[in-house]
Amino acid sequence: DAGITQSPRHKVTETGTPVTLRCHQTENHRYMYWYRQDPGHGLRLIHYSYGVKDTDKGEVSDGYSVSRSKTEDFLLTLESATSSQTSVYFCAISSGGEGNEQFFGPGTRLTVL
Amino acid sequence: GENVEQHPSTLSVQEGDSAVIKCTYSDSASNYFPWYKQELGKGPQLIIDIRSNVGEKKDQRIAVTLNKTAKHFSLHITETQPEDSAVYFCAASIHGNNRLAFGKGNQVVVIP
Repeated sequence: DAGITQSPRHKVTETGTPVTLRCHQTENHRYMYWYRQDPGHGLRLIHYSYGVKDTDKGEVSDGYSVSRSKTEDFLLTLESATSSQTSVYFCAISSGGEGNEQFFGPGTRLTVL
Repeated sequence: GENVEQHPSTLSVQEGDSAVIKCTYSDSASNYFPWYKQELGKGPQLIIDIRSNVGEKKDQRIAVTLNKTAKHFSLHITETQPEDSAVYFCAASIHGNNRLAFGKGNQVVVIP
């Protein structure tokens, strides 16, 4: 998985609780992304980062926040989890420049009860 | 923005036959088109990609073709094997930033 790890790999939580997912890379890539994958929707971008402390929203960013304090780590936070955020979350990295390859991590399966 | 569509949604083929998945895109400024393979319980894996300055690229049993005029690109898998069974995603670059627009995926089933 191109030097990308995600933690935790599985999590069950209750509605209203905060949740933080972590993506860690060892490739020193500039760009990092958070996607969610749901049946019938494919991969949808939540947020992405183009450098330390530089982030921007994707197409489904409501209810999510991100932080990137170091090149290697990109955190996704659900401030108050809802059942609609039950999904599989993937982190991806890219070295940058339009058209560069994105490489995906193994994913985190999140269930919100 | 860029819109990517994949057809068909599910494809079943006999082992040894060829499989073809087609994607269309909307933004003529897109210049990079990757294909990903996702096996059950794993993350998408980049298997092949093509840039807009070429029309075809091959890597062993897989190939990708690009028709910029018609704005479509296709994944070709020859001599399919059971391990080719997976979900395949196509994507197109979004002009002006380092992002990709993904199709919704195709389930390919290779029947032994």
